[in-house]
Amino acid sequence: EVQLVESGGGLVKPGGSLRLSCAASGFTFSDAWMTWVRQAPGQGLEWVGRIKSKTDGGTTDYAAPVKGRFIISRDDSKTTLFVQMNSLKTEDTAVYYCATEFGGVMTFWGQGTLVTVSS
Amino acid sequence: EIVLTQSPGTLSLSPGERATLSCRASQSVSSNYLAWYQQKPGQAPRLFIYGASSRATGIPDRFSGSGSGTDFTLTISRLEPEDFAVYYCQQYGSSPPLTFGGGTKVEIK
Repeated sequence: EVQLVESGGGLVKPGGSLRLSCAASGFTFSDAWMTWVRQAPGQGLEWVGRIKSKTDGGTTDYAAPVKGRFIISRDDSKTTLFVQMNSLKTEDTAVYYCATEFGGVMTFWGQGTLVTVSS
Repeated sequence: EIVLTQSPGTLSLSPGERATLSCRASQSVSSNYLAWYQQKPGQAPRLFIYGASSRATGIPDRFSGSGSGTDFTLTISRLEPEDFAVYYCQQYGSSPPLTFGGGTKVEIK
């Protein structure tokens, strides 16, 4: 059974940093493209970015609002996905979900972790 | 970037009725790379449809997807109590970025 468990969310001040983790199990993590999607309170879904598998280059793509501030990485030995979030803004407040991505489709999702950016 | 517009914003229906949800793209979605997700309150989204019309594993056949180009539809033939939720469309034909529609809430009338 595929399991994705996010952690690391919390309250942070504007301009601060936070690192989220997503522990994966139940599938071959090293072969998977992984994606972060966020959802602001009461709002819709917003793609944050992705990291490809190392066999596909291991490269990353980001949404415009987070490019240059967020860094997505992976540790295949620990089957864990990360996102380092820097220079946080109030508009980054959201539940952050990690998901497996297959050909652009988010096939499995974690339960999410809440990030609140507030002074 | 392809912008997806979902309509209506809210659909009020009774169990047993047919639901028709629309997703319109600002430009043609390549190869009909359009997915639908269901989200219930307090839960993560769940993949329901991909490739515009293919049901994901375990999705009942009362759910069907159709459309091509810029106009796509999710149809629920007969609403069951567990179907009342928010549905999002998402395109992956032109990425990055992957983009989502704003969602349609299907609520009990």
